[in-house]
Formats: sequence, structure tokens, C-alpha cells
Amino acid sequence: AQKITQTQPGMFVQEKEAVTLDCTYDTSDPSYGLFWYKQPSSGEMIFLIYQGSYDQQNATEGRYSLNFQKARKSANLVISASQLGDSAMYFCAMRGSNSGYALNFGKGTSLLVTP
Amino acid sequence: DTGVSQNPRHKITKRGQNVTFRCDPISEHNRLYWYRQTLGQGPEFLTYFQNEAQLEKSRLLSDRFSAERPKGSFSTLEIQRTEQGDSAMYLCASSHGQGSSGNTIYFGEGSWLTVV
Repeated sequence: AQKITQTQPGMFVQEKEAVTLDCTYDTSDPSYGLFWYKQPSSGEMIFLIYQGSYDQQNATEGRYSLNFQKARKSANLVISASQLGDSAMYFCAMRGSNSGYALNFGKGTSLLVTP
Repeated sequence: DTGVSQNPRHKITKRGQNVTFRCDPISEHNRLYWYRQTLGQGPEFLTYFQNEAQLEKSRLLSDRFSAERPKGSFSTLEIQRTEQGDSAMYLCASSHGQGSSGNTIYFGEGSWLTVV
């Protein structure tokens, strides 16, 4: 079984500051992928970043980076230089090599960026 | 717009009625997924298609739910004899089947269902 835990129900950050959203996971699959999605109030799930369990380097996509610590089973999302438009729900998800095609999502973290 | 398209975006129905949602994936994406999301929760996997074949179904997909993907293009999700517990947002997603690009799964804007 796989489990994704996001312990921060809500986070605040001031515009232009960096923020880290926590995600820990548990799986017995030998390889897996970790994903982060952003969901604004409109409902669409927007893909942000992907990290494979065997990737040597932490993934980065523009202002998003994934702080992957395999031994600690954590995959935190770092958003640099926050913008007002970053206010949304953020979901961490994973898919394991032996667990089919389903993405398993955490409960999400609500991020509010203040001026 | 070349993203994943879903319709209708909103549906209000009376308990016991049937509803159908449609999803048009990104063209050339052979993988298609359906998820359900209730308030305060992350999306939950329902089913997966590779081309026209339905390869995986969640236990959440009761016998009142049926999904199809004829010809491996668009997909429909039908809920028969709706119950109030079916009220949720139904999300469709698609991805490429090959290489690292298969790791990027694109979601649509979702179809909100309210059963009254």
C-alpha cells in the first residue's frame, strides 16, 4: 500500500518570499514517481513538477523545486519568490512501479500568498 | 485550447437519475484516467484506459459506475441511479504512453456533480 502525508493544512507566505510545502510518503515499491499539482479555485489540477525515485538530482521547474530526501521518504515542494497567483491548494502524489497506473494523492495544503 | 476537455462542467441531478460525463484527452495521449474528488480531499483514482482498453479499476468504481473509451479517443463516465454520496468533482486526466513524458499527467478542469 502507498500513503502520502501532507501535514500542513494551511500555509501563509508573504509575496516574494520562498515557501516549503511538506510531503512524506510510504511505499514498498522498488521504484516510484513523485508529483506535485496545484489546484486553484477553478478546480483544474495543474502539473508542477515530477521526481523519479532513481533520479540523481532534485527536480526543478522554474520557481518550483522538489527537495527529495529518499532516506527520509520526503518530497517537499519549494516555491521561490512567491506570487499572489500562487495562492491555491497544492497536492503531493505518487505512483509506484508495482502499484498500477493510479496516482495516490495526499489531502493537500492550502497556500495563501499575502501582499 | 489543446488541454484535457471535460463537459458538462456542472451538473445538478435528482437522486436516482443517470448522468454521463465526457472527457476529451489531449490528442495523441493514449492513457486516460478518471478520478473523483470530494471537498477537502485529494483526488481518488477511479479507472484507467490505455487506448480503448480499460486496464485498471478502483474498488471505488461500484457497479453503478461505468466508463468507456470507444476507439481510444474520448471517454465517458456514466453514473446510474445516482446517490447523494456521488456528489463530487469528477476529474479526467491523460498522458503519453512512452518515455519520461508519460510521467506528466494532465488533468482537465473537472465536472462538478451535485445530487439533490
